[in-house]
Amino acid sequence: DVKVTQSSRYLVKRTGEKVFLECVQDMDHENMFWYRQDPGLGLRLIYFSYDVKMKEKGDIPEGYSVSREKKERFSLILESASTNQTSMYLCASRTGRGANVLTFGAGSRLTVL
Amino acid sequence: SQQGEEDPQALSIQEGENATMNCSYKTSINNLQWYRQNSGRGLVHLILIRSNEREKHSGRLRVTLDTSKKSSSLLITASRAADTASYFCATDRYNTDKLIFGTGTRLQVFP
Repeated sequence: DVKVTQSSRYLVKRTGEKVFLECVQDMDHENMFWYRQDPGLGLRLIYFSYDVKMKEKGDIPEGYSVSREKKERFSLILESASTNQTSMYLCASRTGRGANVLTFGAGSRLTVL
Repeated sequence: SQQGEEDPQALSIQEGENATMNCSYKTSINNLQWYRQNSGRGLVHLILIRSNEREKHSGRLRVTLDTSKKSSSLLITASRAADTASYFCATDRYNTDKLIFGTGTRLQVFP
């Protein structure tokens, strides 16, 4: 069964801490995405990556960075967490450019105190 | 940024009834997709309809697309309690690889 695995389902961090959210896919997919989901706002794209070491900003990249050193792993980094980054974070992947359907992980719910 | 808007925001029905959700979007698209999300979980792909298609079926799901009105609808027939979830439409911005999601419709199906 193909999978997108997010390392932490629930995290609680303090303001100013550096936070790493990890996402691993076992489908040899080229493209990977990070979204955040907030009530009433739906899913908003933070960053995406077409391939290893490639990244592009989504609609709300401020306060975030990403790393894609290996094809299967896409990390979202909050350099200095703030309370307004409390949210559900969803990682997704797909085969490659031109492909359409995303496979999602189960999500990581982050609370910043 | 472009975003689909689902309507209604919430819908409550009895088992056996049909559920209809609508999605509107703003710019030209290559295709439109519908996803389902169970509470607190990731999204699962349901169905994709291309811009040159008008209707598509998959089991109890029927999706329509009207590109002139920039809208789509998802019909779930003979709903079950297990259909309780949030449903999202997603569109790709024309000539980009970004998939943009709407705000979702929360469906509650009572036994």
